[in-house]
Amino acid sequence: NAGVTQTPKFRVLKTGQSMTLLCAQDMNHEYMYWYRQDPGMGLRLIHYSVGEGTTAKGEVPDGYNVSRLKKQNFLLGLESAAPSQTSVYFCASRWDGGGELFFGEGSRLTVL
Amino acid sequence: GESVGLHLPTLSVQEGDNSIINCAYSNSASDYFIWYKQESGKGPQFIIDIRSNMDKRQGQRVTVLLNKTVKHLSLQIAATQPGDSAVYFCAEKWSNYQLIWGAGTKLIIKP
Repeated sequence: NAGVTQTPKFRVLKTGQSMTLLCAQDMNHEYMYWYRQDPGMGLRLIHYSVGEGTTAKGEVPDGYNVSRLKKQNFLLGLESAAPSQTSVYFCASRWDGGGELFFGEGSRLTVL
Repeated sequence: GESVGLHLPTLSVQEGDNSIINCAYSNSASDYFIWYKQESGKGPQFIIDIRSNMDKRQGQRVTVLLNKTVKHLSLQIAATQPGDSAVYFCAEKWSNYQLIWGAGTKLIIKP
């Protein structure tokens, strides 16, 4: 049982480049989330999804887009990367709106 | 807006002693709180949660206390071990879909 898997784990981009982070969960969870974590700060919600085909904005959605075409996958896209998007990105999922969140191992992104 | 915060950014504890990590919250309507542990280079892991109709909840070596009067949450770890070294986050249920996270407290275990 893999749980929540994020790919890639590390990536270096130049300013203006685009990329997609993939999150996959094998627990049949309805809810999926993308967070960013910066040094000395808590997790900040970028976007989330309450089911296949749905997405919603979180606290810091600007500069990011998401898609949930399949229930098990949640993609986070950066269309034109900026140095301010250098961060560690975490995907998480859970059964419903409450209860335990299951996190992936994180994706470390550096934008030069 | 509403926020969840921690009193101490770093806590150093002697191995074998008990650790107490504190958290303040400001949304008096919050009905659910949760603690996570994040080890270096890993994603956060669930430790324990508590609903607002409870004052205390115990797990394996961990206890969460909720004081709604002063809007304070604490995590107690009994007989702290080297493996407890991590950053601990409290989070508050903001809506049916979202949690609001504190900044984290780093727990350092002294041998």
